[in-house]
Amino acid sequence: QQQVKQSPQSLIVQKGGISIINCAYENTAFDYFPWYQQFPGKGPALLIAIRPDVSEKKEGRFTISFNKSAKQFSLHIMDSQPGDSATYFCAASIGNNDMRFGAGTRLTVKP
Amino acid sequence: GAVVSQHPSRVICKSGTSVKIECRSLDFQATTMFWYRQFPKQSLMLMATSNEGSKATYEQGVEKDKFLINHASLTLSTLTVTSAHPEDSSFYICSARVGTRSYNEQFFGPGTRLTVL
Repeated sequence: QQQVKQSPQSLIVQKGGISIINCAYENTAFDYFPWYQQFPGKGPALLIAIRPDVSEKKEGRFTISFNKSAKQFSLHIMDSQPGDSATYFCAASIGNNDMRFGAGTRLTVKP
Repeated sequence: GAVVSQHPSRVICKSGTSVKIECRSLDFQATTMFWYRQFPKQSLMLMATSNEGSKATYEQGVEKDKFLINHASLTLSTLTVTSAHPEDSSFYICSARVGTRSYNEQFFGPGTRLTVL
């Protein structure tokens, strides 16, 4: 049962551009929304996360925008670089319960 | 962020043998660790939740007798794939939850690529 829907499945962006990945959730009880970055053959790395009491969180070139009423959150990567090429997963969880992952977005940043 | 290690990173074994994968939280105590399986170009599939000192909780469809999980200490959990078969070939990833958080902040290990011949 997919509780977090992620789009697009794949994304190609030119170097210096903005990459935007979107996620939508169903369960309003989710209280933690992380984004993970995964390179081929490696485990996912926690990139940035947000709690539902804020609408935006920024860390360097990475920003999460959170829309509680629409039950959506998105990852923005500013000034995208070829080194950002990876698969990105959004996720959501309730308290200390299981993490629900999106299907993933394969980002390619062309030089 | 917190560091989680996994060993081995790659393992090739013959069908019918058992393989043990270790997951360690290096700089924090993890009362709860998770084991995931990931197929190529797919998302992470939770296999089981491992709590220190108690039996693991397995997701529906995961054979507990095939995938043995032991969480003997606050920094170590192990996954043993018993009588492995080619269909068990996959990328296995563990994660550890920071115990002091009220929310589910998890840090992942680098993964173990299992190939069963």
